[in-house]
Amino acid sequence: DAGVIQSPRHEVTEMGQEVTLRCKPISGHDYLFWYRQTMMRGLELLIYFNNNVPIDDSGMPEDRFSAKMPNASFSTLKIQPSEPRDSAVYFCASSLVGQAAQHFGDGTRLSIL
Amino acid sequence: GENVEQHPSTLSVQEGDSAVIKCTYSDSASNYFPWYKQELGKRPQLIIDIRSNVGEKKDQRIAVTLNKTAKHFSLHITETQPEDSAVYFCAASREDSSYKLIFGSGTRLLVRP
Repeated sequence: DAGVIQSPRHEVTEMGQEVTLRCKPISGHDYLFWYRQTMMRGLELLIYFNNNVPIDDSGMPEDRFSAKMPNASFSTLKIQPSEPRDSAVYFCASSLVGQAAQHFGDGTRLSIL
Repeated sequence: GENVEQHPSTLSVQEGDSAVIKCTYSDSASNYFPWYKQELGKRPQLIIDIRSNVGEKKDQRIAVTLNKTAKHFSLHITETQPEDSAVYFCAASREDSSYKLIFGSGTRLLVRP
């Protein structure tokens, strides 16, 4: 199995630009999670989906952040407009129904200048 | 709300010594407790987990113990090696309902050769 696949691995952009992060979960997994990791705040859950439906988005920091899961094999996290404080590593993870063990992708290192 | 506290935040041990990391959780309905290891610049990787119907689980040099009454669980690494140096995260979840992982703040383990 290829594992959770995220793209891009690195993104550097100027503030105000739109940023789109992508994730392909492990085939057959029913749950998909988006996390943000910073030194100050650690690993934060932003939003998660079950069978493509958002279940809990209480961790999404503000309206500039949005996430979608149009099908079982693809999800996006979008930031518009981006700000320097959004700089972080964003991880996507997936899990199988009945098992809470989450498998993480390699992350996207985002730098907003 | 749900919370997981993790101690210590940093831990330095001599190669060959043991290391212990402790976590306390607040949600008494939590029934799944994974531990993740994150090397510098890499993704968190699941190294061991325990469910609430078990008090202890071992896998070679690592073991996890769970005290449901006190709501705390611990990671034990014996005969530490330099490659054990990483950040370790504990987490708690309700495996039969939300599947959301509540992460601790992490412990940076340094194993000195």
